[in-house]
Amino acid sequence: TQLLEQSPQFLSIQEGENLTVYCNSSSVFSSLQWYRQEPGEGPVLLVTVVTGGEVKKLKRLTFQFGDARKDSSLHITAAQPGDTGLYLCAGAMEYGNKLVFGAGTILRVKS
Amino acid sequence: GAVVSQHPSWVICKSGTSVKIECRSLDFQATTMFWYRQFPKQSLMLMATSNEGSKATYEQGVEKDKFLINHASLTLSTLTVTSAHPEDSSFYICSAGKDRQGVQPQHFGDGTRLSIL
Repeated sequence: TQLLEQSPQFLSIQEGENLTVYCNSSSVFSSLQWYRQEPGEGPVLLVTVVTGGEVKKLKRLTFQFGDARKDSSLHITAAQPGDTGLYLCAGAMEYGNKLVFGAGTILRVKS
Repeated sequence: GAVVSQHPSWVICKSGTSVKIECRSLDFQATTMFWYRQFPKQSLMLMATSNEGSKATYEQGVEKDKFLINHASLTLSTLTVTSAHPEDSSFYICSAGKDRQGVQPQHFGDGTRLSIL
């Protein structure tokens, strides 16, 4: 059973469309990270959210942490082909020092 | 910003060979490092956690004698895949955290693609 459920697993959209990726859990996280990974490279940190209800924006990307710190979303506005990649959410457990990763969302933006 | 360097980026070797992968934190001291394995188009699977100066903690199902981890300094951790076989072929990624609690946030290396013939 995946501790952090990420959806959708795969998303193929046209340039200019909006999309949202969700990560949900029954567990509370002390923080949650979003990463983007391109083939053959390591994940690159996009954002860390720490406070319940927190919203962070990174250009066309909006990240939200649920009030109860159990879920998070990533919204991309007007997607570009350069947004193509694997998006990973990862939650830090309240106790212990490990990150729990979602299964990942493969995003393909077609021009 | 923080940078984690991983070397080599790609290894191809024969079955039975042992392969060492290095993970270095370049501009900060990494008291905690993590080693992950990733299959194509899948998420990261944590293999082990290492703290500088102590033994690594392996996740369930990961053979510690197969995947030797050493974190002898605050800037270097190594993963040695001993007597590698084709089923060990994978993408191995390390990450580093800045303090004993380790993880916020983790900074990842660029990964090592291991291909065993």
